[in-house]
Amino acid sequence: RKEVEQDPGPFNVPEGATVAFNCTYSNSASQSFFWYRQDCRKEPKLLMSVYSSGNEDGRFTAQLNRASQYISLLIRDSKLSDSATYLCVVTFGNEKLTFGTGTRLTIIP
Amino acid sequence: EAQVTQNPRYLITVTGKKLTVTCSQNMNHEYMSWYRQDPGLGLRQIYYSMNVEVTDKGDVPEGYKVSRKEKRNFPLILESPSPNQTSLYFCASKEASGFSSYEQYFGPGTRLTVT
Repeated sequence: RKEVEQDPGPFNVPEGATVAFNCTYSNSASQSFFWYRQDCRKEPKLLMSVYSSGNEDGRFTAQLNRASQYISLLIRDSKLSDSATYLCVVTFGNEKLTFGTGTRLTIIP
Repeated sequence: EAQVTQNPRYLITVTGKKLTVTCSQNMNHEYMSWYRQDPGLGLRQIYYSMNVEVTDKGDVPEGYKVSRKEKRNFPLILESPSPNQTSLYFCASKEASGFSSYEQYFGPGTRLTVT
């Protein structure tokens, strides 16, 4: 089983819709969780951290479920500029980040 | 401007010809890391360094070497490249500890093709 698993998609979603995707992780001792965004052929960039209580940043909401070992990302009122690959990242300790393979999202006009 | 730079951005080489990909950051970060990204496999860590003269293997270190003689530089060395090292390589840096130590800053990537 992979340490971090994501549905690769692609998700093709009309502009203005709400889209959600999950990421599961296998190490129950994982400590920190993040969503990164990667545009085509570009470097990954931090989108948001994921806190146990859930957190929101504008149109983006991240949730963590430690009991079921998954994190989720919800995007409301999706924009064309949200088209990207979303990478789930899990850390254990301070040194090692484990990346999921990414979920590709395309927003359709 | 705070950034991580990598050179070269694109490289085509032949099997067995030693090469070095440079990485430099201007944020005074203690931690630096190299990843390779392949379709269907995501980003996999090659090596990382917690500080000068301290390096450790990541998930896929075979066929690679690194060094950390200065805080700002973390070159990736392929002594004898092989076609299975054809990939997109990213260098990244972050603070080693503290509140903001989780965010990694990535370089623009180096696309390497080994024929």
